[in-house]
Amino acid sequence: GAGVSQSPRYKVAKRGQDVALRCDPISGHVSLFWYQQALGQGPEFLTYFQNEAQLDKSGLPSDRFFAERPEGSVSTLKIQRTQQEDSAVYLCASRRRGFMGGPYNEQFFGPGTRLTVL
Amino acid sequence: DQQVKQNSPSLSVQEGRISILNCDYTNSMFDYFLWYKKYPAEGPTFLISISSIKDKNEDGRFTVFLNKSAKHLSLHIVPSQPGDSAVYFCAARSGSGGGNKLTFGTGTQLKVEL
Repeated sequence: GAGVSQSPRYKVAKRGQDVALRCDPISGHVSLFWYQQALGQGPEFLTYFQNEAQLDKSGLPSDRFFAERPEGSVSTLKIQRTQQEDSAVYLCASRRRGFMGGPYNEQFFGPGTRLTVL
Repeated sequence: DQQVKQNSPSLSVQEGRISILNCDYTNSMFDYFLWYKKYPAEGPTFLISISSIKDKNEDGRFTVFLNKSAKHLSLHIVPSQPGDSAVYFCAARSGSGGGNKLTFGTGTQLKVEL
């Protein structure tokens, strides 16, 4: 596909359930980001991958959150024992280059997965 | 602490007039500032960026101004069109760390009326 895709688009979970959110970045993009967007807020950084290496996970709110990108393409964000405060839109973004500084290199965002925890 | 702030949650302008969206930041280490536009049920899409060493960048109807001393930037849209109605996020890029992650403001809902 031409853009970043995410699945599922909507997920409803009961409190305590585990969920897995998938991101398919643009083919060939080196960098992949996960962001969390709570209602009425801007996206907040969760974690960053350069190829298969998770170089920054400082934004993950707790050890219930886990992300992986084992082959350097598709990524999965897993949330264990979901809580109501995990309800948010989870956005994935990819970027053609790795971390290089220099001129801004656009992050392309997917449509997000809206997670509702009941 | 919120490092990027958009103090106006909404803005309404008439078609053809100028829209001015404002943003303030606190972190002097940001090296790029940018604006993303978001329609409902879609991801944010990149609009325009500006380096921290510049004070103005223009792209068609969109101009971003940066005032480093005031830690303030603004997005001007001239002339405004109904299709511009969306949520606009101001964001800043970290110069290092986090893979050049973005820090976003809370967004401003722009409504362009006929």
